[in-house]
Amino acid sequence: NAGVTQTPKFQVLKTGQSMTLQCAQDMNHEYMSWYRQDPGMGLRLIHYSVGAGITDQGEVPNGYNVSRSTTEDFPLRLLSAAPSQTSVYFCASSYSWDSSYEQYFGPGTRLTVT
Amino acid sequence: KQEVTQIPAALSVPEGENLVLNCSFTDSAIYNLQWFRQDPGKGLTSLLLIQSSQREQTSGRLNASLDKSSGRSTLYIAASQPGDSATYLCASHAGGTSYGKLTFGQGTILTVHP
Repeated sequence: NAGVTQTPKFQVLKTGQSMTLQCAQDMNHEYMSWYRQDPGMGLRLIHYSVGAGITDQGEVPNGYNVSRSTTEDFPLRLLSAAPSQTSVYFCASSYSWDSSYEQYFGPGTRLTVT
Repeated sequence: KQEVTQIPAALSVPEGENLVLNCSFTDSAIYNLQWFRQDPGKGLTSLLLIQSSQREQTSGRLNASLDKSSGRSTLYIAASQPGDSATYLCASHAGGTSYGKLTFGQGTILTVHP
């Protein structure tokens, strides 16, 4: 199994541009989520999905959209990039949102918005 | 609102030492606690998951304990090696309507020198 994969690894955007961060998992996990990691702020939840077709907002959802059309994929869309969105983005997955299950993280996407 | 604190923020030890990393949380109503390792520029690797009904979990040289009543978890690393150098993060899972959200500590940066 490849686990949780993310593309691209690095990205530089100009303010106002849009882009999609890709996340995929091959473990047939129902639960997927996106976090951002910033110095001094730790990891914060952006959006999550408890199954295909079901998504909801996390702690810091503004400026981001998600959809989940398949079990495997959970892309994160930046609608109009801002310098405040410069961060490292991690996708995670788990068998279920139930707390009994371990969560697995991808390698991250390092995004810089100029 | 759950807050997770990790002490110390950084730790430098000689190879071979046994060491303890601390994680405290303000809300004892957690369902589980997960310890992660993060190497520089990399993603999070899950180390151990402790359910609220458990007191400890072991994996190789790692042992994690959980005391909900005192709001504390510790990660014990035996016979430390330079390859253990990384940032160690703990994260609590509130269960229920938190729908898989993890609340992270800021991490402990561990350096093991030869």
